[in-house]
Amino acid sequence: GAGVSQSPSNKVTEKGKDVELRCDPISGHTALYWYRQRLGQGLEFLIYFQGNSAPDKSGLPSDRFSAERTGESVSTLTIQRTQQEDSAVYLCASSLGRASYEQYFGPGTRLTVT
Amino acid sequence: DQQVKQNSPSLSVQEGRISILNCDYTNSMFDYFLWYKKYPAEGPTFLISISSIKDKNEDGRFTVFLNKSAKHLSLHIVPSQPGDSAVYFCAARDGGGSNYKLTFGKGTLLTVNP
Repeated sequence: GAGVSQSPSNKVTEKGKDVELRCDPISGHTALYWYRQRLGQGLEFLIYFQGNSAPDKSGLPSDRFSAERTGESVSTLTIQRTQQEDSAVYLCASSLGRASYEQYFGPGTRLTVT
Repeated sequence: DQQVKQNSPSLSVQEGRISILNCDYTNSMFDYFLWYKKYPAEGPTFLISISSIKDKNEDGRFTVFLNKSAKHLSLHIVPSQPGDSAVYFCAARDGGGSNYKLTFGKGTLLTVNP
């Protein structure tokens, strides 16, 4: 079956512009996660969605970052007024549910802020 | 403060030999550990995991060992194959907190030479 997909695969934007990243999780997966990987670093948790529960936004680095999810499907991560330090690979993952340890990752979106 | 540490950024081994990737952690509340493998331009893929109630888990050529007293785990790949060349991430789940967040190390780049 189809895995987690993300779009765009690459995004180059100018400092100060807004960007929107999209994630399509695996069908039937109720949990969805966003991570960020900066160059030479590990994966940094950003936000978690589980069904209709309130999302855990504790990993969002600033109020310029926000994310939404439509039901148990598509999610968008929005970064407003992008800064150069936002340059990273943004990874989305999904899992069957809260108690599922195994997360399935998409290929990521490489964001470059010039 | 890094709670999951992979102190070797890279490792090079000969095909057919054993690869040993190491991971140290500081949070005693971590109760489940996972290894992910990542090829360039792809998202991480789940490889193998271990619960804190065990000290070893084996799956084919891959074995993970957990030493709770030392807060150390390792991934053994025997025999190593060129296709194993990738970045390997160690991840851990906090059983005492939000049971869906994974904390990742920075990764170790494994190169298996033919």
